[in-house]
Amino acid sequence: AQKVTQAQTEISVVEKEDVTLDCVYETRDTTYYLFWYKQPPSGELVFLIRRNSFDEQNEISGRYSWNFQKSTSSFNFTITASQVVDSAVYFCALSEERSNTGKLIFGQGTTLQVKP
Amino acid sequence: NAGVTQTPKFQVLKTGQSMTLQCAQDMNHEYMSWYRQDPGMGLRLIHYSVGAGITDQGEVPNGYNVSRSTTEDFPLRLLSAAPSQTSVYFCASRKQGGVRIYGYTFGSGTRLTVV
Repeated sequence: AQKVTQAQTEISVVEKEDVTLDCVYETRDTTYYLFWYKQPPSGELVFLIRRNSFDEQNEISGRYSWNFQKSTSSFNFTITASQVVDSAVYFCALSEERSNTGKLIFGQGTTLQVKP
Repeated sequence: NAGVTQTPKFQVLKTGQSMTLQCAQDMNHEYMSWYRQDPGMGLRLIHYSVGAGITDQGEVPNGYNVSRSTTEDFPLRLLSAAPSQTSVYFCASRKQGGVRIYGYTFGSGTRLTVV
């Protein structure tokens, strides 16, 4: 069965601190895709990254970086030098290729508060 | 391109009323789906469709109906609203076989309150 777990419900940091958001997934499919979305207070879902199961390279985009480890079924997200604008709810999600249904399985979300 | 358009953005219903949340996409995406977002629960799949005329249930389908008569539209119907259906609803679409390239497109959401 497919499942995504974000064990951290809420994280609070002070501006300029680094913060890592954890994501653990379960799937029996060999081809799958992992996503991170940001949901700011305005409510829309903002796409951050998509990673396929065959690409374990870590990704860096500015202050954001992602660590994908198939051995531990984890896809963690790190924000370096956090800023107040990073305050949001962050979702990790999984899409399985085999199901061919277009379904996205979301984690429960992590609320990040960055204090000035 | 407008992407995925959801209407209305806000709605207040009385218990027992019915209504339809609209979702339309202009990208010729085969896959469409509805999610509801509740605090601490993430987004949970209600119903999904892999093409016109084909729909199926997701994780939390009770109390909701869907139909897909065209590729563009995927309305979500609440036949008899209940307070437990108070939530934020998101519609999403995706091109078949296109996860690697296109990913998912989400609407801006509908905030529904049932009193």
